[in-house]
Amino acid sequence: NAGVTQTPKFRILKIGQSMTLQCTQDMNHNYMYWYRQDPGMGLKLIYYSVGAGITDKGEVPNGYNVSRSTTEDFPLRLELAAPSQTSVYFCASSYRQGGANTEAFFGQGTRLTVV
Amino acid sequence: GIQVEQSPPDLILQEGANSTLRCNFSDSVNNLQWFHQNPWGQLINLFYIPSGTKQNGRLSATTVATERYSLLYISSSQTTDSGVYFCAGVNTGGFKTIFGAGTRLFVKA
Repeated sequence: NAGVTQTPKFRILKIGQSMTLQCTQDMNHNYMYWYRQDPGMGLKLIYYSVGAGITDKGEVPNGYNVSRSTTEDFPLRLELAAPSQTSVYFCASSYRQGGANTEAFFGQGTRLTVV
Repeated sequence: GIQVEQSPPDLILQEGANSTLRCNFSDSVNNLQWFHQNPWGQLINLFYIPSGTKQNGRLSATTVATERYSLLYISSSQTTDSGVYFCAGVNTGGFKTIFGAGTRLFVKA
């Protein structure tokens, strides 16, 4: 059971480039999340999804896009990379049923540097 | 609004000491979790504790949901306990997991 898998682990982008951060989970969780963590700070929610085909904005969505075509996958897209997007990105998943959430599980993170 | 507040922000311990970390959360938050982020950045699930008390080795956690706080106890601390401890809660609607700012712990040998 792999849990939540993120790729790549590290990436350097030039300003204006685009890229997609991949996230997949094999726990059949309906909820998935993308967070960013700036140095010395906590995690801030970028986007989340409550199921295939349903996504919504979190606290800091500007500059990002997401899609959820399957239960397993939740990619995060950066269209025009900016230095302010230098951060560590975490994907997470959890399960909600009957009004209760299970614990959230996190991937290993993607360290992105924009130069 | 949704609020998760942690204290203290920083903590330095001598190896072998005990400590208590606190997490206060607002009325719109429930389903508390505690995580440890190790020096390599990995987030490790410690406890999923909406209410009550749980123990796992030298760590234990208590959440008093009616009073909107949770405590993480670390006993006989070790250098490998160093890192950042986060608490996180789910908003009442159930869609978002929101994190506190964390407690940075350094355990000296």
